[in-house]
Amino acid sequence: DAGITQSPRHKVTETGTPVTLRCHQTENHRYMYWYRQDPGHGLRLIHYSYGVKDTDKGEVSDGYSVSRSKTEDFLLTLESATSSQTSVYFCAISSGTGNTGELFFGEGSRLTVL
Amino acid sequence: AQKVTQAQTEISVVEKEDVTLDCVYETRDTTYYLFWYKQPPSGELVFLIRRNSFDEQNEISGRYSWNFQKSTSSFNFTITASQVVDSAVYFCALRGYSGYALNFGKGTSLLVTP
Repeated sequence: DAGITQSPRHKVTETGTPVTLRCHQTENHRYMYWYRQDPGHGLRLIHYSYGVKDTDKGEVSDGYSVSRSKTEDFLLTLESATSSQTSVYFCAISSGTGNTGELFFGEGSRLTVL
Repeated sequence: AQKVTQAQTEISVVEKEDVTLDCVYETRDTTYYLFWYKQPPSGELVFLIRRNSFDEQNEISGRYSWNFQKSTSSFNFTITASQVVDSAVYFCALRGYSGYALNFGKGTSLLVTP
């Protein structure tokens, strides 16, 4: 158990509304990630963080923003949700002190945008 | 650029058969890391193995074995005497030495029937 909690686990929202997903970790890991999983695409990186207030974009970052004001929390925000953002979102942490370790994932947050 | 190809989208076998899941990768890094993850029907992502590029020794863990071949840029995963509980989607992933995140293949869905 890597001590990762995602909330909410399920959410249904309307197009155009803002949505924030929260990832909380209890083990002080430096690196945190947000991925989305869609059929036929596997897992794709949205954003990642390598420390408090240090974040960078992944391959599918358009329409998403992130924030990390504390080591333990990494927030993913959809400023104006669209139907194409219906997906399962996974948060992950990197084991060890560097960025070469394996990732451990949260249980996922299923978002449906109507 | 880092790329992972899992050419097998779906595989169906009968229990006790052996099955090999293929993974081919592309990277320009001389040092890199390869991973396999399992996603059972319940949806969580389970880390199975990490292999460093400088360690070409194959690995066996119970019924699971991994064959890493740099010459063909492949990191294949074999399940011996498959069981129904092996039914899942399996993802291969790659991280280059300078990368912060894992690049995933699109996954192979394995169905093991009694």
